[in-house]
Amino acid sequence: AQSVTQLGSHVSVSEGALVLLRCNYSSSVPPYLFWYVQYPNQGLQLLLKYTSAATLVKGINGFEAEFKKSETSFHLTKPSAHMSDAAEYFCAVSGGTGFQKLVFGTGTRLLVSP
Amino acid sequence: DAGVIQSPRHEVTEMGQEVTLRCKPISGHNSLFWYRQTMMRGLELLIYFNNNVPIDDSGMPEDRFSAKMPNASFSTLKIQPSEPRDSAVYFCASSQTGGGYTFGSGTRLTVV
Repeated sequence: AQSVTQLGSHVSVSEGALVLLRCNYSSSVPPYLFWYVQYPNQGLQLLLKYTSAATLVKGINGFEAEFKKSETSFHLTKPSAHMSDAAEYFCAVSGGTGFQKLVFGTGTRLLVSP
Repeated sequence: DAGVIQSPRHEVTEMGQEVTLRCKPISGHNSLFWYRQTMMRGLELLIYFNNNVPIDDSGMPEDRFSAKMPNASFSTLKIQPSEPRDSAVYFCASSQTGGGYTFGSGTRLTVV
């Protein structure tokens, strides 16, 4: 079985500051890991995914995440926040190759102040 | 590609009425998922299909909910009878094996 825990339901940063959204996973098999972003009144959009290749994954809009097996973590970072990054971010895990079911975390709302 | 298409975008209905939500997945995707999102419970997986076959419907709240996928390009989620507690945003998503999901824009359901 797979699960993810997102630490912090809300994260506030200033524009230009580092963004760090935390995600820890649990999986009985080698996982695939994903980050999604949801803007108000929209569906979820894939930011990036880890599928057992490079452990540092780069995504859209300047975001990246690093898979750390020893820490069972997949934290999302961005060096410099923009106002447009304000949204809800979801971490998700699946059981790897073959047919997959994604299990989502509870989400972290990112607030960006001027 | 037009992405995952859901209809309607908004639905307001009276308690007790039947509601049908529709989803057209991305062509070539072999898996389809129905999620419900609420403030209280977050994203909940209701049911998913692989190659048009329901694989796991353990997330369906109760017998009032049913889902079908008659072919690779169409799925429905039906609620009969609807209740106010069913008010939520319902998302459909599709994927290829090993890929991430592509979500539709959702259907916002309000049951009054």
